[in-house]
Amino acid sequence: GQNIDQPTEMTATEGAIVQINCTYQTSGFNGLFWYQQHAGEAPTFLSYNVLDGLEEKGRFSSFLSRSKGYSYLLLKELQMKDSASYLCAVMDSNYQLIWGAGTKLIIKP
Amino acid sequence: GAVVSQHPSWVICKSGTSVKIECRSLDFQATTMFWYRQFPKQSLMLMATSNEGSKATYEQGVEKDKFLINHASLTLSTLTVTSAHPEDSSFYICSAPLGQTYEQYFGPGTRLTVT
Repeated sequence: GQNIDQPTEMTATEGAIVQINCTYQTSGFNGLFWYQQHAGEAPTFLSYNVLDGLEEKGRFSSFLSRSKGYSYLLLKELQMKDSASYLCAVMDSNYQLIWGAGTKLIIKP
Repeated sequence: GAVVSQHPSWVICKSGTSVKIECRSLDFQATTMFWYRQFPKQSLMLMATSNEGSKATYEQGVEKDKFLINHASLTLSTLTVTSAHPEDSSFYICSAPLGQTYEQYFGPGTRLTVT
């Protein structure tokens, strides 16, 4: 079966760095997405990785290792507004997104 | 960037009535749209894939006769919750893919409360 695993909840301190991991097992691979979702709102796109390596975009970076079925989202200089759920999703061979359950990130002052 | 709208943003209806939710791609054409449901503190659950000009594809466990999907044009898909019950109360979100990466652009969501 297809499976996406990510931690349920993480806590970090304002100004610090946090890494959210995602491991996956899917039927084929056409890219991995990270989305941010604030409570009561729709997800918003953060990053897309299809090749191995690190993609950096401002305070957020995303890493992918296809051979290990592993990705992480790195958030630097954490701000209170970064408190949200972070969703990992993999596009399978049918171009369908398989979603992880999301990681709730709590930022403390 | 690409924009997807949903209407209404929230709706309260009585048990047994039907509710229609619209999803529009505002500045691009979408031959495919996705409908998701999300219960509190849970992740997105794909309900169905809406295809312009053909029948929708429903995920296992989703009743096609209860959740009617019509992809009327390249910019509009509608989800009708028929004979709604309190257990249908949820956050319904649509999305449309665009570009080579097939990135999904999400609508703002519709919060349905059935009393």
